Amino acid sequence: GAGVSQSPRYKVAKRGQDVALRCDPISGHVSLFWYQQALGQGPEFLTYFQNEAQLDKSGLPSDRFFAERPEGSVSTLKIQRTQQEDSAVYLCASSPRGGRRTEAFFGQGTRLTVV
Amino acid sequence: QKEVEQDPGPLSVPEGAIVSLNCTYSNSAFQYFMWYRQYSRKGPELLMYTYSSGNKEDGRFTAQVDKSSKYISLFIRDSQPSDSATYLCAMSAGTDKLIFGTGTRLQVFP
Repeated sequence: GAGVSQSPRYKVAKRGQDVALRCDPISGHVSLFWYQQALGQGPEFLTYFQNEAQLDKSGLPSDRFFAERPEGSVSTLKIQRTQQEDSAVYLCASSPRGGRRTEAFFGQGTRLTVV
Repeated sequence: QKEVEQDPGPLSVPEGAIVSLNCTYSNSAFQYFMWYRQYSRKGPELLMYTYSSGNKEDGRFTAQVDKSSKYISLFIRDSQPSDSATYLCAMSAGTDKLIFGTGTRLQVFP
């Protein structure tokens, strides 16, 4: 498909479990973003990659959150020792350029529920 | 106080009405302004993208930015039931990170 693809769509994790969320951006897109969206709220920035370089991780809420994009395409967001407050929709977005243009195109998200 | 404020609604209008959605912001460094539409259990879909102040029109949608008032608007003409969704404003100072409003739920009834 032509859009941003995320998997899994839904994930239920027991508290304390590690999870990995995958994002396949639009082919050729330079920039990749992860956002967290709590119920009834707008997305909140987590981290940003330009190609394989993680240029901004200021939004990651704790050191339990880790993201990588080793070859500049697919990205994985990993959450260790999940807690109930991690329950949210995790959105991935990609943009064709780096720099100042920020037309980001979003995937459908992964809904994480920690029980 | 949040950097971007948006009335969460819900906003309920009859089909054919003109809808006005608004956001205010506090960071004068914001230069890029976007409106996204988000259907239930879907990702946000980019509707409008505007750089700096001014108006932009695309079909039934018009985006306005007033940087002097730190106020942006999205107008939807001839609203349709298929427009029922949450509308998110987003903005950036050019650092690639988007700051979103909380979203306004819109319901257009037949």
